[in-house]
Amino acid sequence: NAGVTQTPKFQVLKTGQSMTLQCAQDMNHNSMYWYRQDPGMGLRLIYYSASEGTTDKGEVPNGYNVSRLNKREFSLRLESAAPSQTSVYFCASSEANKGDEKLFFGSGTQLSVL
Amino acid sequence: EDQVTQSPEALRLQEGESSSLNCSYTVSGLRGLFWYRQDPGKGPEFLFTLYSAGEEKEKERLKATLTKKESFLHITAPKPEDSATYLCAVQAWGGSQGNLIFGKGTKLSVKP
Repeated sequence: NAGVTQTPKFQVLKTGQSMTLQCAQDMNHNSMYWYRQDPGMGLRLIYYSASEGTTDKGEVPNGYNVSRLNKREFSLRLESAAPSQTSVYFCASSEANKGDEKLFFGSGTQLSVL
Repeated sequence: EDQVTQSPEALRLQEGESSSLNCSYTVSGLRGLFWYRQDPGKGPEFLFTLYSAGEEKEKERLKATLTKKESFLHITAPKPEDSATYLCAVQAWGGSQGNLIFGKGTKLSVKP
């Protein structure tokens, strides 16, 4: 039972480089999310996708783009990485059909931007 | 502004020493309050959802309670494997989907 799978687990970038974080879930969930977690701060929502074909901004979307490739996959792209984007990134999914957000998280991607 | 404050930031217990973690929240209208457990290097793992004041939920040594201003996570006779960071989050009515407001967490260490 894989659940939510994120790749890569670790990544180091130089300022200005681009990269895409991949996320896939095998629970047939409609909704998917990208969060970032920084030391001394709570998890913050970057983008979410309520269903296949839709995406919306969360609390901290600047500097990121997302793609909901299909029901299973939701990717996060950094077009021009900045040191402020050094963080741990978590992908999550939920059924979201009862209105409550019981989220299932992946194991995270630790990203360092130098 | 919706916000969540967890206390203490860190808690050290001896095995078997019961205690409680606190989550104070300010939200325009509470849709749900969530507790998650996070182990080092892993993503948060769902524990409980509470919807209304007076509600309680239990799972093994954990019991979550909710009032109109705060939630408590009671840990009874903890074991070393209960060591983790416990996260509290709230969802407000009218907020964008998935936009849970998370607290900074309480790091629990249980020594044998």
